[in-house]
Amino acid sequence: EIVMTQSPATLSVSPGERATLSCGASQSVTSNLAWYQHKPGQAPRLLIYGASTRATGIPARFSGSGSGTDFTLTISSLQSEDFAVYYCQQYNHWPRTFGQGTKVEIK
Amino acid sequence: EVQLVESGGGLVQPGGSLRLSCSASGFIFSSHAMHWVRQAPGKGLEYVSVISSNAGSTYYADSVKDRFTISRDNSKNTMYLLMSSLRPEDTAVYYCTSSAYYEYYFDYWGQGTLVTVSS
Repeated sequence: EIVMTQSPATLSVSPGERATLSCGASQSVTSNLAWYQHKPGQAPRLLIYGASTRATGIPARFSGSGSGTDFTLTISSLQSEDFAVYYCQQYNHWPRTFGQGTKVEIK
Repeated sequence: EVQLVESGGGLVQPGGSLRLSCSASGFIFSSHAMHWVRQAPGKGLEYVSVISSNAGSTYYADSVKDRFTISRDNSKNTMYLLMSSLRPEDTAVYYCTSSAYYEYYFDYWGQGTLVTVSS
């Protein structure tokens, strides 16, 4: 099973600042990496797939990069609605696996 | 608007059974693979199972294999998860998700239904 490791566990950021979230895979997942945003009591939302392609309707302030084993999600200028937990997930191997999440909180 | 609505969660005793449903609307259900993902209290997301668009292929995580059965009824735009021999460690919010293809990422998610396994 591919282990996905996210860092940091919690990121404290002020509105308007940049947030950089990391995700590492225990072995290569090529570019088959997705990012999801999850707010309490809501359905998770797809942000990025293919490591760097924004899903439909996702603002341009969200960007993804990386391939192989190292990936990054960047939120260029945090808005109030961006405070949430973010998960990376690989879909290159079975079973699909998720990172443990990074909570982005208001500083 | 795409909607996935889970139902059927609740409290069940260890060893018991429960059937979850996921009702879909706003997209062509019969052309999408469907998945279940769960989240135990205070934990991260765990992949459970997938069923292909025509129900010809399924996959189960080792943790639920031989205990859970995934199925779908394309005429009703509904997916199911029959959970048997439930254990306390199956306690979680169960989410249904969709993907354009069996192998793909999850494009839409429901809000989840809570399953609690406890005596």
